[in-house]
Amino acid sequence: AQSVAQPEDQVNVAEGNPLTVKCTYSVSGNPYLFWYVQYPNRGLQFLLKYITGDNLVKGSYGFEAEFNKSQTSFHLKKPSALVSDSALYFCAVRPPSGGYNKLIFGAGTRLAVHP
Amino acid sequence: EPEVTQTPSHQVTQMGQEVILRCVPISNHLYFYWYRQILGQKVEFLVSFYNNEISEKSEIFDDQFSVERPDGSNFTLKIRSTKLEDSAMYFCASSDLRDSTEAFFGQGTRLTVV
Repeated sequence: AQSVAQPEDQVNVAEGNPLTVKCTYSVSGNPYLFWYVQYPNRGLQFLLKYITGDNLVKGSYGFEAEFNKSQTSFHLKKPSALVSDSALYFCAVRPPSGGYNKLIFGAGTRLAVHP
Repeated sequence: EPEVTQTPSHQVTQMGQEVILRCVPISNHLYFYWYRQILGQKVEFLVSFYNNEISEKSEIFDDQFSVERPDGSNFTLKIRSTKLEDSAMYFCASSDLRDSTEAFFGQGTRLTVV
């Protein structure tokens, strides 16, 4: 079955330190990969995506993600965390079914950045 | 910046009642979706809609659910007879025709069935 795993329910980071939010996926073929962020009482905001090409993709708010095909991972990273980065982060994949933009989401990881 | 808008932001309904959740997708988008997120759980795909018909639906999307694009701007999700377990945050999303495009999500409607 197709699935996305975010192994950490919560990640705690001190402001200014680098952060990593992990994501692995189990989808056949070459899926498209996405990260979304959800702030309290808000919808899902697109951060970045991997379609093809360079394994390191850059997105909004200084975030980047590294695609690793052999490990089927797409970890979200940021060199220096801000308190305002505290939110719920979702990894999502779109299977290469060719057609419609259905996304399979991970369970989410809560990022808490402490001053 | 264009955005997907959803109304209402919060809906409380009694079990067995019908509810309609409304969405205005981004104007030049052609694919529309509903997802739901039960409190504390992952975001789950419900249905996708293209060219005035359902293109894909999940096992969650049973006969109690229906979607409609009644005019050129709105996209609605109807739940005919709500159950307690329908309580969730419902997200509408839209995307354009490009194969690699991301979906844009609304802020969600929190449905509480009592």
